[in-house]
Amino acid sequence: AQSVTQLGSHVSVSEGALVLLRCNYSSSVPPYLFWYVQYPNQGLQLLLKYTSAATLVKGINGFEAEFKKSETSFHLTKPSAHMSDAAEYFCAVKDSSYKLIFGSGTRLLVRP
Amino acid sequence: ETGVTQSPTHLIKTRGQQVTLRCSSQSGHNTVSWYQQALGQGPQFIFQYYREEENGRGNFPPRFSGLQFPNYSSELNVNALELDDSALYLCASSLPTGGQETQYFGPGTRLLVL
Repeated sequence: AQSVTQLGSHVSVSEGALVLLRCNYSSSVPPYLFWYVQYPNQGLQLLLKYTSAATLVKGINGFEAEFKKSETSFHLTKPSAHMSDAAEYFCAVKDSSYKLIFGSGTRLLVRP
Repeated sequence: ETGVTQSPTHLIKTRGQQVTLRCSSQSGHNTVSWYQQALGQGPQFIFQYYREEENGRGNFPPRFSGLQFPNYSSELNVNALELDDSALYLCASSLPTGGQETQYFGPGTRLLVL
């Protein structure tokens, strides 16, 4: 069965610093992987997705993620944090079936 | 904006009551999925509808039921509400493309059960 683990329920960075949010997955088949962002009192917005076309995936708002099969990881990064990046971030896995399986989320805090 | 809308935005019910939540899919999307997001947790899959038929179900009891209409809009019904049903309910629409399709989420309905 597929599962997702997000290390760190809270990550705090200074404005302008590197953002690194960790995601490890478990899947018995080649996975489709997603990162979503949730701003307060809103739904989920897709940041990026991995569908096996390329291991380094670029998304919106300057975010990118690298798929590493040997490490079963799909960590999200951004070179320079902005105050507007403060939100909850969810990693999700989906196989060829129908549902998304989400991690428990990481809240990103950006200090001025 | 994803083009997915949900109503109502907020709802307060008492234990034992029934509730209906509504979702309007993005134009052209024939699949809708419903998720429950409890406070401080990631969304949990409830079920999915494809062309008006249930296409898969998560670990939720039968008192959670759904409908999808010919225009692909959808309803989530919950009977005999319990306190633990308090959560944000999200719907997501998609167009199946062999598993890699993106699910586009609505803003959610926040349900409080007292």
